[in-house]
Amino acid sequence: EDQVTQSPEALRLQEGESSSLNCSYTVSGLRGLFWYRQDPGKGPEFLFTLYSAGEEKEKERLKATLTKKESFLHITAPKPEDSATYLCAVHLSGSARQLTFGSGTQLTVLP
Amino acid sequence: DTAVSQTPKYLVTQMGNDKSIKCEQNLGHDTMYWYKQDSKKFLKIMFSYNNKELIINETVPNRFSPKSPDKAHLNLHINSLELGDSAVYFCASSQGSFPGLTTNEKLFFGSGTQLSVL
Repeated sequence: EDQVTQSPEALRLQEGESSSLNCSYTVSGLRGLFWYRQDPGKGPEFLFTLYSAGEEKEKERLKATLTKKESFLHITAPKPEDSATYLCAVHLSGSARQLTFGSGTQLTVLP
Repeated sequence: DTAVSQTPKYLVTQMGNDKSIKCEQNLGHDTMYWYKQDSKKFLKIMFSYNNKELIINETVPNRFSPKSPDKAHLNLHINSLELGDSAVYFCASSQGSFPGLTTNEKLFFGSGTQLSVL
């Protein structure tokens, strides 16, 4: 079965302490990898799409990168407002137009 | 204005009851979806509708039935609710029918309906 695994499950950082979140997938035929942010009590909000190995996307303090088997979401000098659950999802060829989501990394940034 | 809105926000009901969750999008998108998020935060697609046609129907119990009166609405009706149906249900929409080919296909989610079956 196709799998998307995110690590760590939870991450606590001090404000300004940079780190990375990981999303690995155990299938071939990747058509796109997505990062979403989910705040408590809200729906996921789109951040990035990556399509091929070596691609990078940036938005404020976030940078997403993609290799053949995993993606990283790098957070540089995070602020408390970056606290959220970060979800990764993959769109696979032959997956009938659906996204397979990971279970997310819950990020807490302490002031 | 909220792009994707769903009601109610919370739904508490007894086992065996029938309930509906409503969803509306004002983005002019062609495709709408229902996702279920379990207690471990996994999001799994249940249904999607494109131009009033069902294009994905995952192996969900037939107690769940999507109803789309028009392109802007996709409601979820659930018959004979069971304890295991307790979860957060999210409605979403996308401009096209392929959630991933281009950035135009990104999903816009509603804020969720927390269903608790007692």
